[in-house]
Amino acid sequence: DIQMTQSPSAMSASVGDRVTITCRASQGISNYLVWFQQKPGKVPKRLIYAASSLQSGVPSRFSGSGSGTEFTLTISSLQPEDFATYYCLQHNSYPLAFGQGTKVEIK
Amino acid sequence: QVQLVQSGAEVKKPGASVKVSCKASGYTFTSYGISWVRQAPGQGLEWMAWISAYNGDTKYAQKFQGRVTMTTDTSTSTAYMELRSLRSDDTAVYYCARAGFEYWGQGTLVTVSS
Repeated sequence: DIQMTQSPSAMSASVGDRVTITCRASQGISNYLVWFQQKPGKVPKRLIYAASSLQSGVPSRFSGSGSGTEFTLTISSLQPEDFATYYCLQHNSYPLAFGQGTKVEIK
Repeated sequence: QVQLVQSGAEVKKPGASVKVSCKASGYTFTSYGISWVRQAPGQGLEWMAWISAYNGDTKYAQKFQGRVTMTTDTSTSTAYMELRSLRSDDTAVYYCARAGFEYWGQGTLVTVSS
């Protein structure tokens, strides 16, 4: 089974900061990686698919990169509405696997 | 527009079973599989299982193998997830999501308590 290791598990940042979240797969998953944003009590929202493709309607300050085993989600300039928990998901092979999540909090 | 509408919250006793439904609309149901994902209170997302709405093929996370059954009813465009032998640590919000994870149901809270 493929394991997804996401880091950091939590972080404090200020509005305007550049934020980078990393997911590492235990084996190669090509670009079969999705990034989600989840706010408390809400359904996860897909931000990035195929590792680097921006979901329609998602602000361009969000970007994804990587292939194989190393992936990053970058928020170029953190906005107040971006404080949330972020998850990666590999869907290269079953069983699918989420990262543990990264909670982005206000500094 | 694509919608996945799940059944309502459930309260079950330990050892019981629960069956959650996920009714799809706005697309050809048999063209996409459905995954089930759960989230325990204050915890992360956990992928449980997947079913092909085309031919009923299934994939399960090992921890749920033998305890979860997924089915579909193509006549009503509905997917079902049944979890048996419920324990207190099965208390969670259960989501269905269309393949690709762009579209999710609203979630169903299942509470297991004596």
